[in-house]
Amino acid sequence: DVKVTQSSRYLVKRTGEKVFLECVQDMDHENMFWYRQDPGLGLRLIYFSYDVKMKEKGDIPEGYSVSREKKERFSLILESASTNQTSMYLCASRPDSSGANVLTFGAGSRLTVL
Amino acid sequence: AQTVTQSQPEMSVQEAETVTLSCTYDTSESDYYLFWYKQPPSRQMILVIRQEAYKQQNATENRFSVNFQKAAKSFSLKISDSQLGDAAMYFCAYRSGLDSSNTGKLIFGQGTTLQVKP
Repeated sequence: DVKVTQSSRYLVKRTGEKVFLECVQDMDHENMFWYRQDPGLGLRLIYFSYDVKMKEKGDIPEGYSVSREKKERFSLILESASTNQTSMYLCASRPDSSGANVLTFGAGSRLTVL
Repeated sequence: AQTVTQSQPEMSVQEAETVTLSCTYDTSESDYYLFWYKQPPSRQMILVIRQEAYKQQNATENRFSVNFQKAAKSFSLKISDSQLGDAAMYFCAYRSGLDSSNTGKLIFGQGTTLQVKP
């Protein structure tokens, strides 16, 4: 089975800190995604990457950046964390963008910004 | 732009009974995919079932089935013989079938929390 591993399940950071959320998948998937999950809002796409060093903005990219230097790793960066970025962050991957390929999700990283 | 709406924030069902979770979507496309994902408490999200819009037959996976009404843009999930392990948040999701839609991102609904009572 494909495994998507998020490095931290829980993080507590202070306003203004730089935050790195790491995601690694072990099945050579081309596509990787970062979603944010908030109550009543469902999942909203922050950024996605369809190949190494390729990235595109999702629906809510403001305040975030990403890095994909290697195929298996997709990092989400909060340059200067703010309290409104307190949320659950979900990483996902998929073999490629064709057909009905299914997303495989990581367990999530719950970030609290104080 | 496509949207997905789940109008039931919470639902409950008695163990062994049947429950239906609602989902509606809005799109002008004719080719797309629909999914139901399950997120158990403190555990990762997994796929429950998926439906290709071009298929008229409703998808079924064991106790899980969908009622896909393309004209009405409705995609409900029926869980039969509910079990305690079905308690989770369920998300409905839409994905365009057009190749030109970049990476085919998923658009999610707000989620429905299902409680299963013993």
